[in-house]
Amino acid sequence: NAGVTQTPKFRILKIGQSMTLQCTQDMNHNYMYWYRQDPGMGLKLIYYSVGAGITDKGEVPNGYNVSRSTTEDFPLRLELAAPSQTSVYFCASMGNSPLHFGNGTRLTVT
Amino acid sequence: QQQVKQSPQSLIVQKGGISIINCAYENTAFDYFPWYQQFPGKGPALLIAIRPDVSEKKEGRFTISFNKSAKQFSLHIMDSQPGDSATYFCAASRREYGNKLVFGAGTILRVKS
Repeated sequence: NAGVTQTPKFRILKIGQSMTLQCTQDMNHNYMYWYRQDPGMGLKLIYYSVGAGITDKGEVPNGYNVSRSTTEDFPLRLELAAPSQTSVYFCASMGNSPLHFGNGTRLTVT
Repeated sequence: QQQVKQSPQSLIVQKGGISIINCAYENTAFDYFPWYQQFPGKGPALLIAIRPDVSEKKEGRFTISFNKSAKQFSLHIMDSQPGDSATYFCAASRREYGNKLVFGAGTILRVKS
């Protein structure tokens, strides 16, 4: 049972490049979330999904997009990377259980 | 808008001492208050949680105290150990499952041996 798996673990992007952060969970959870973590700022919600085909914006959605075509996968897309998107990104899922996080993707935009 | 305010930002405690981290919330609709523990290179993991119908919850060395009228809650770590050194986040949401957690800014705890 792998839980929530995020790939890649680390990535360096140049300004203006695009990339997709992958997230998959094997717990059959309906709810999935993307957070970003910045020093001294806690975790800010980017996007979330309550089930396949349904997504909604969180607190800081600008510059990001998501899709939820299956229960298991919830990828996060950065279209035009900016230095302000340098952060650690966490994917999480929830069923009838507490929020369960992956181990994060550390992204640097230079 | 910061809905959950956490303090202190960092904390150094001697081994065997008590670590205390405080949080205050604004939204009276919140009714689920968890604490998460995060080690370097890992995602946060649920440590302990409380609902506002009780004033205190204890699990081993970890205790949450809850003051509904003051809209405050705190985490107490008794007999702090070097292995407790981590970042701690308080959070709040409107219900336990299927909702969005709002997190505090985090407290970096270092327990000196």
